[in-house]
Amino acid sequence: EIVMTQSPATVSVSPGERVTLSCRASQSVSTNLAWYQQRPGQTPRLLIYGASIGATGVPARFRGSGSGTEFTLTISSLQPEDFAVYYCQQYNGWPPALTFGGGTKVEI
Amino acid sequence: QVQLVESGGGLVRPGGSLRLSCAASGFTFSDYYMGWIRQAPGKGLEWVAYISTAGGTEHYGDSVKGRFIITRDNAENSLYLQMNSLRADDTAVYYCARDLTAVVAAGYFDNWGQGTLVTVSS
Repeated sequence: EIVMTQSPATVSVSPGERVTLSCRASQSVSTNLAWYQQRPGQTPRLLIYGASIGATGVPARFRGSGSGTEFTLTISSLQPEDFAVYYCQQYNGWPPALTFGGGTKVEI
Repeated sequence: QVQLVESGGGLVRPGGSLRLSCAASGFTFSDYYMGWIRQAPGKGLEWVAYISTAGGTEHYGDSVKGRFIITRDNAENSLYLQMNSLRADDTAVYYCARDLTAVVAAGYFDNWGQGTLVTVSS
């Protein structure tokens, strides 16, 4: 099983600042990686897939990068609604095996 | 507008069974792979199961393999999760989710239901 490790577990930032979240895979997943946002009391929302492709309706301030085992999600100029938990998720093609990272909480 | 509505959650004793349902609308259900993802209280996300468009192929996370069964009824636009031999650590909100792309599995989920809570306790 591919293990996804996110860091840091929690990051404290101020509105308007930039933050970079990390996700590491225990073995290469190529660019088969997604990022999700989960606000308190809400369901997860797909932000990025294919490591760097923005999902429909996602603001340009969310940018994903990386390949292989190292990935980052950068949020430039944090907005109040961006304070949430962010999860990475890998998809290992066939047979399908999907695993999520433990999440990073972005707090004020 | 895509809508996914889960039902069937509740309190069940360890060793018991429960069947979750997910009613889909707003898209051509039979064109999409579908999945179940769960989230224990205060914890992160865990993939549970994944099913192909016609239902001929299913895949499971290691923690539920051999105990849970995912099925679908394309005529009824419905997804199901039969959960057997339930344990306390199966306690979670269970989400039904749609794959990102039609026909071919993308492995990402762009639409999620609101979830249904399953509590396993004596």
